[in-house]
Amino acid sequence: EVQLVESGGGLVQPGGSLRLSCAVSGFTFSNSWMCWVRQAPGRGLEWVASINEDGSDKYYVDSVKGRFTISRDNAKNSLYLQMNSLRAEDTAVYYCARASRGAPEEYWGRGTLVTVSS
Amino acid sequence: DVVMTQSPLSLPVTLGQPASISCRSSQSLVHSDGNTYLNWFQQRPGQSPRRLIYKVSNRASGVPDKFSGSGSGTDFTLQISRVEAEDVGVYYCMHHTHWPFTFGGGTKVEI
Repeated sequence: EVQLVESGGGLVQPGGSLRLSCAVSGFTFSNSWMCWVRQAPGRGLEWVASINEDGSDKYYVDSVKGRFTISRDNAKNSLYLQMNSLRAEDTAVYYCARASRGAPEEYWGRGTLVTVSS
Repeated sequence: DVVMTQSPLSLPVTLGQPASISCRSSQSLVHSDGNTYLNWFQQRPGQSPRRLIYKVSNRASGVPDKFSGSGSGTDFTLQISRVEAEDVGVYYCMHHTHWPFTFGGGTKVEI
């Protein structure tokens, strides 16, 4: 059974940092692109970042460039999103998903909520 | 960045009747490799999104054939042949032809 389980969300003050994790099982993680997609409360979906199989290629939406870093540990079947200099507009549920050519495909996690507020 | 515009924003439907959602992009989604990377996703209330269609018209694994996608260039459509209660939710188009990828704003399908 395929499972993607996000963790690391929570309440953080503006300017603060959080590191999200996504633990993967049920498919060959090291052979898969992965990505993060977020959804602000009551809003639509926004693609955030993607990473290729070995972590050598990374892509970001402009609004998070220089603040967020996507990474992976293929030995641990884990995907990460380091989020620095957080802003109120980063408040959202963050989903990890297996990706095809960088875009989310069939397998998604349930998401983890990040709230940026003082 | 490519802007994806969906219509309508809200789609009241009748059970057993067809439904159609439009998605238009601000520039062509045809990649230099010849493929058009346009996907459709469904998000049921309280659930994570689910991919329905990839590359315009290919149904994802496990997706019933009542869902179909069509279109080319900048103009795309998702059709549901006969709406069932389980189809209620928000539907999103998304392109991955050019970086950065973008989603449409979503279409809420309600009975």
